[in-house]
Amino acid sequence: DAGVTQSPTHLIKTRGQQVTLRCSPISGHKSVSWYQQVLGQGPQFIFQYYEKEERGRGNFPDRFSARQFPNYSSELNVNALLLGDSALYLCASSLSAGNTEAFFGQGTRLTVV
Amino acid sequence: AQSVTQLGSHVSVSEGALVLLRCNYSSSVPPYLFWYVQYPNQGLQLLLKYTSAATLVKGINGFEAEFKKSETSFHLTKPSAHMSDAAEYFCAVSPTNAGKSTFGDGTTLTVKP
Repeated sequence: DAGVTQSPTHLIKTRGQQVTLRCSPISGHKSVSWYQQVLGQGPQFIFQYYEKEERGRGNFPDRFSARQFPNYSSELNVNALLLGDSALYLCASSLSAGNTEAFFGQGTRLTVV
Repeated sequence: AQSVTQLGSHVSVSEGALVLLRCNYSSSVPPYLFWYVQYPNQGLQLLLKYTSAATLVKGINGFEAEFKKSETSFHLTKPSAHMSDAAEYFCAVSPTNAGKSTFGDGTTLTVKP
């Protein structure tokens, strides 16, 4: 079975632009979480979605938004990019929102110049 | 609110020596606790988790951790380090589920031959 897949693996954007990152969870998993990992730090929780509904949001500005589709895949959108948005964006999938095991994808490396 | 403190951003051991990575947490409710490993340019892999069952938790690759409520600690140990253990290790806490975790800043483990 495929694990959590994220696309693209790398991308470079200019300040002020918008970006969309994509995540496909493990087959059968209905919950997706997004994390931001700045170089040298641990991942920070951005969003959790379960059954297409937002189940949690971290301390991030409204420039960050996400959604989950009927097939449980998810997109993370970031508007008006800042240099500080440069990070590894990780997606994690779980069977449900209450599950005690999360499986991480390899991440999308976003560089804002 | 939850928080995690990983004592020592860098730990260096000789091959065959004991590995001890320290993690202290704060949580307003009984927590779930996790240790993850991250290799360069990759996502996170779960090593082990504590979910209020046995306080001594065994994980993959010979790692184990002990939950000590009185000390609010969840230190990670391995009796004998292997070169392949060199990586970044993250401790995480969640009051609800694995997809909504608070991570520490990580400890880089170096293994010397």
